[in-house]
Amino acid sequence: DAGVIQSPRHEVTEMGQEVTLRCKPISGHDYLFWYRQTMMRGLELLIYFNNNVPIDDSGMPEDRFSAKMPNASFSTLKIQPSEPRDSAVYFCASSQQGGGNQPQHFGDGTRLSIL
Amino acid sequence: QQPVQSPQAVILREGEDAVINCSSSKALYSVHWYRQKHGEAPVFLMILLKGGEQKGHEKISASFNEKKQQSSLYLTASQLSYSGTYFCGTEIPVLYNQGGKLIFGQGTELSVKP
Repeated sequence: DAGVIQSPRHEVTEMGQEVTLRCKPISGHDYLFWYRQTMMRGLELLIYFNNNVPIDDSGMPEDRFSAKMPNASFSTLKIQPSEPRDSAVYFCASSQQGGGNQPQHFGDGTRLSIL
Repeated sequence: QQPVQSPQAVILREGEDAVINCSSSKALYSVHWYRQKHGEAPVFLMILLKGGEQKGHEKISASFNEKKQQSSLYLTASQLSYSGTYFCGTEIPVLYNQGGKLIFGQGTELSVKP
């Protein structure tokens, strides 16, 4: 079975540019999560969706960050304009249910570098 | 709200045992454990639910003490493949009738040497 698919795997861009990260969850999973991982802050939840509807976006750092899930098989995380402090690994994860009853399956991540 | 893991790092020789602890200041509904190898994604190990249930996965097991608001991960007879960073994730309810979210600890780096 295909796992969570993220693209691109690596992104290097200059400050001020728009960045779009993409995620395809596992088919049949109702929940989708976006995480950011840095050495300083660890693994942080940015936002998560249930059946394409955002449930909690309290982890989104600023208005420069936005996320959408137009359908059950696709989600995007957008940063506009990007800043060097946004450099991190961004993971997308999906699960059959939210909360603690089901495991979260992580994609391979997007390694983002903002110059 | 972030759970606290201890120790931050541990070095083992192959065959030795280790315990990683995860403590929360909030009531625990469930605890997840994941392992992440360098440059890779976190991989699910196990979930523990309310009730002090102990689960196992190969030679890795875990316990959940609801009263103490903590969970412990036990690695016995460690293998080289156990090396990586271990994260616990504790469930935080968000909305009624909606699955809650996980808040992850800062991680425990485990190195197993030959």
